[in-house]
Amino acid sequence: ELKVEQNPLFLSMQEGKNYTIYCNYSTTSDRLYWYRQDPGKSLESLFVLLSNGAVKQEGRLMASLDTKARLSTLHITAAVHDLSATYFCAVDPPNTNAGKSTFGDGTTLTVKP
Amino acid sequence: NAGVTQTPKFRILKIGQSMTLQCTQDMNHNYMYWYRQDPGMGLKLIYYSVGAGITDKGEVPNGYNVSRSTTEDFPLRLELAAPSQTSVYFCASKSLRTSYGYTFGSGTRLTVV
Repeated sequence: ELKVEQNPLFLSMQEGKNYTIYCNYSTTSDRLYWYRQDPGKSLESLFVLLSNGAVKQEGRLMASLDTKARLSTLHITAAVHDLSATYFCAVDPPNTNAGKSTFGDGTTLTVKP
Repeated sequence: NAGVTQTPKFRILKIGQSMTLQCTQDMNHNYMYWYRQDPGMGLKLIYYSVGAGITDKGEVPNGYNVSRSTTEDFPLRLELAAPSQTSVYFCASKSLRTSYGYTFGSGTRLTVV
């Protein structure tokens, strides 16, 4: 059974600081996703990482994937209040044609002035 | 494009009642999914479908049923509602021909009393 663990689950940080969210998964996979959810809203796709060493960046967020370590990171650079949200990683199991993702429990990020 | 449309947005059910959550997508995606999100948790897969006429159970299917008569529609049926089914329900779709993640609907917030 595929398990996905995120840490930390809660993160409070000051504006302008850097931090990293970690996503570990238990079995091999060839697709890892990062999503953002604002309070009371739906989820929005941020990044898709498809291969070992893949790196994607948008604005102050950068995601990377190490398939050998079964680890993805979401790095936040110079945080701003607008980044306050819950971030989920999700992993597709290997050898499946159904694309059904297993989600971590999410990291709730609060950026304070 | 409307993307993934879910109705209703909110619903209160009494124990033992039944209802159908509607989900429609206009992106011609073959793959569709129903997830539930309990407070402070990640998403748990209820049912999924890889095409019209094909459905399969996810991680937490008990108490639910689905059908997929067309590519566009994937309704979720709750029979004999129980308080444990109080949750937020998300419908999502995906095309495995692209490298995007899920497109989610806006969610249905269901309370069973």
